[in-house]
Formats: sequence, structure tokens, C-alpha cells
Amino acid sequence: GQQVQQSPTSLVLQEGENAELQCNFSTSLNSMQWFYQRPGGSLISVFYNPSGTKQSGRLTSTTVIKERRSSLHISSSQITDSGTYLCAVNYAQGLTFGLGTRVSVFP
Amino acid sequence: DAGVTQTPRHEVAEKGQTIILKCEPVSGHNDLFWYRQTKIQGLELLSYFRSKSLMEDGGAFKDRFKAEMLNSSFSTLKIQPTEPKDSAVYLCASSLEGRGGEQYFGPGTRLTVL
Repeated sequence: GQQVQQSPTSLVLQEGENAELQCNFSTSLNSMQWFYQRPGGSLISVFYNPSGTKQSGRLTSTTVIKERRSSLHISSSQITDSGTYLCAVNYAQGLTFGLGTRVSVFP
Repeated sequence: DAGVTQTPRHEVAEKGQTIILKCEPVSGHNDLFWYRQTKIQGLELLSYFRSKSLMEDGGAFKDRFKAEMLNSSFSTLKIQPTEPKDSAVYLCASSLEGRGGEQYFGPGTRLTVL
């Protein structure tokens, strides 16, 4: 079936370290998004990135459709980056979500 | 511009009750989605409307869940009757473009069924 797989499940970083989160999807897609969520918080769209590379501040997203993968790179992590990052793929109608990567950044 | 709004933010119901959750999409958006988020299952699509027409009615969620879009700026999700396993966060999202457009999410309604 159409799935979205994220890795790693969790990540612990020391402030200032870089990190790369991975998302793999199973079939051709219409689009994909990365979301950020704090515990009990709203889903915040970080990137809408159907293909190619996009950058926003310290975050960079790269989607390679033919390889069925997308990555989210966090550079110089900060404590405020802590939370869950969710990958979501639009295959046909609505988004199919991965289970997320929980990122914890410590001083 | 206002984002997606959802009310109430929290709802507590007894088993067997009927509850109605409300959503107002971003003004001008044509697509509206209802999702459910639980710790075990993650995020799952419940319903999808395009220009007020129901495009996806949620498969396994059909029997007790009913989403309606009364006009282009208001949608409801009715759960009848509620069961404890329905405890979750219910999220509404909207999108301007057609197929594959960027989706914007509301803050969600946290439902607890006792």
C-alpha cells in the first residue's frame, strides 16, 4: 500500500550539532510537506516541497522523486528545534503521514 | 488573513453521546480535510471535500463519523455515538490549490470520551 516511512524514530542532539531526517515514500506522489509539532501543539508547515531543494533559515529540504525520498536537514541545532518532525505525502486525496522523528536538543 | 479555525479546542463526552466539531477553512480555499491524530496510529485522513463535494469519506471511519460542508466557509464533523477509542485530536486542514496543494492545519480539537 501507499506508505510513508521516516527515520530515525528519535534523535538526541547537543546544541549546535547538525541533523538529517529521512522520509521515504512508496509510489508516485503529487506533493509532499514537512511539518513541525510540539507536544500538544499544532501542526506547523515547515516546507511544501514536491521536488528539488528548499531552504528556510537553518532548515533545508531536498526531495528526489525518482528515488522516492525526501530529507530535512537541520544545521546548528538549537533547543527551540526540539519537537516532532512529520513527513506527509499527497498520493491522491489527502495526506499520508509518517510516524515522525522526535528531535531533542540539549545544551 | 485568519488561518484555519476549529472549535471547541477541548471536548469531553460520555460514551454514547453525539458530538459535533467545527472548522472554518482559510478564506478562499477550495479543499477541506479532516484528520485524526492518536499516539498509536499517528495522523489518519477521515474526510476530504473539494468545493463542498465529499471526495473521500474515510473508509473505516464511515459508520459513526459524518463530515459535512454546509457552505464554503464552514464544516462539521459529527461522531455518533462516541466510544472511548474515539479519544484523539481531530484536525482540520484546508488547501487553495487542487490536487496536491499545500495544506494548512487548524489547532485541533482534543476529544476525550469517558
